[in-house]
Amino acid sequence: ETGVTQTPRHLVMGMTNKKSLKCEQHLGHNAMYWYKQSAKKPLELMFVYSLEERVENNSVPSRFSPECPNSSHLFLHLHTLQPEDSALYLCASTWGRGRPYNEQFFGPGTRLTVL
Amino acid sequence: KQEVTQIPAALSVPEGENLVLNCSFTDSAIYNLQWFRQDPGKGLTSLLLIQSSQREQTSGRLNASLDKSSGRSTLYIAASQPGDSATYLCALSYNTDKLIFGTGTRLQVFP
Repeated sequence: ETGVTQTPRHLVMGMTNKKSLKCEQHLGHNAMYWYKQSAKKPLELMFVYSLEERVENNSVPSRFSPECPNSSHLFLHLHTLQPEDSALYLCASTWGRGRPYNEQFFGPGTRLTVL
Repeated sequence: KQEVTQIPAALSVPEGENLVLNCSFTDSAIYNLQWFRQDPGKGLTSLLLIQSSQREQTSGRLNASLDKSSGRSTLYIAASQPGDSATYLCALSYNTDKLIFGTGTRLQVFP
């Protein structure tokens, strides 16, 4: 595997379900991100992890819970979601803060549908 | 609040045309600007990154320019092909790794 991978690619869940999205980066980066892309809206940053520490939470509801057990893996735990949470969830990684060249590399995304 | 606008929102052209996509931003104190391509339902592919000290970057048929003083960046696509059909996004960072994304330009190139 190379680059940034995400699983599952598609997920359908009910509002009472609990599920998790997984992201893995194979680039040796030390910062990882979750973005949300809703229909007809710009991409929105949700969370930033740098060196496995959450450094930013962009006013995201508590029904989204991120976890970063190591610098290569990032999870987004979902519970009691709402239909308006249906979106494409994208993971990205980079070399992290303090570097002059911080191009972000994105995964293919997980298409989430909440019924 | 930084605002990033992309014009046009959608574009449909015959193949072979040279194209210009525009990205405008309100806060000129950017750190860098990145252009991405997104195919329907897919993730983002980075095309070009311009650091604030640079004026342009080129990759193949793509050329991106940056004019911080006027708050504009343009992505130039030469000799467009049907395979260029996608949504093009610009994204800015302001001395952090937080990217502010534009609204996107949906491009269709028909044979």
